[in-house]
Amino acid sequence: AQRVTQPEKLLSVFKGAPVELKCNYSYSGSPELFWYVQYSRQRLQLLLRHISRESIKGFTADLNKGETSFHLKKPFAQEEDSAMYYCALFSGSARQLTFGSGTQLTVLP
Amino acid sequence: GAVVSQHPSRVICKSGTSVKIECRSLDFQATTMFWYRQFPKQSLMLMATSNEGSKATYEQGVEKDKFLINHASLTLSTLTVTSAHPEDSSFYICSARTPGRNSPLHFGNGTRLTVT
Repeated sequence: AQRVTQPEKLLSVFKGAPVELKCNYSYSGSPELFWYVQYSRQRLQLLLRHISRESIKGFTADLNKGETSFHLKKPFAQEEDSAMYYCALFSGSARQLTFGSGTQLTVLP
Repeated sequence: GAVVSQHPSRVICKSGTSVKIECRSLDFQATTMFWYRQFPKQSLMLMATSNEGSKATYEQGVEKDKFLINHASLTLSTLTVTSAHPEDSSFYICSARTPGRNSPLHFGNGTRLTVT
């Protein structure tokens, strides 16, 4: 069975500080991993996916198969980054997306 | 970009009545849509996968007779909560995947259902 774990429900950092949101997964196949973000009063939207190896809004995430992790990082957090972040794993065989429990990031001024 | 529209955004109904939630893909065709439920302070839980022209696939523990899903066209899926009870009060979110390999999911804005 696939599982996504986000160990931190709440994370607070000061503006300009680095931030790392942790995500670990359990999956027997080759994973497709995503980070989704939900800003206050807005819909859930895709932030980035591991296959694209892109940086969106200064965020990056590297898939580490050895550690089964896909941590989200940003070197200098901004107040507008405050949001709920979900890590998700897509199973091609089951064609379903499994979400972690989410991490509420608050960037303090 | 791809947009998924969900309606209504908020609904209050009395216990015992049924409520229909619509999910539309506005600028793409979605052969598959997904319905999620989110309890307060918890993660999104997949309820069912809606397949155009065929029966939905329900996750374990989800009552298919209570949560009726219809995917009559390539741009519309509906979720009907039948004989709603207060414990059905929750946030329901639909999503659809744009065509193409490794394409991401796009989410509706969600529907806040309150059963009184």
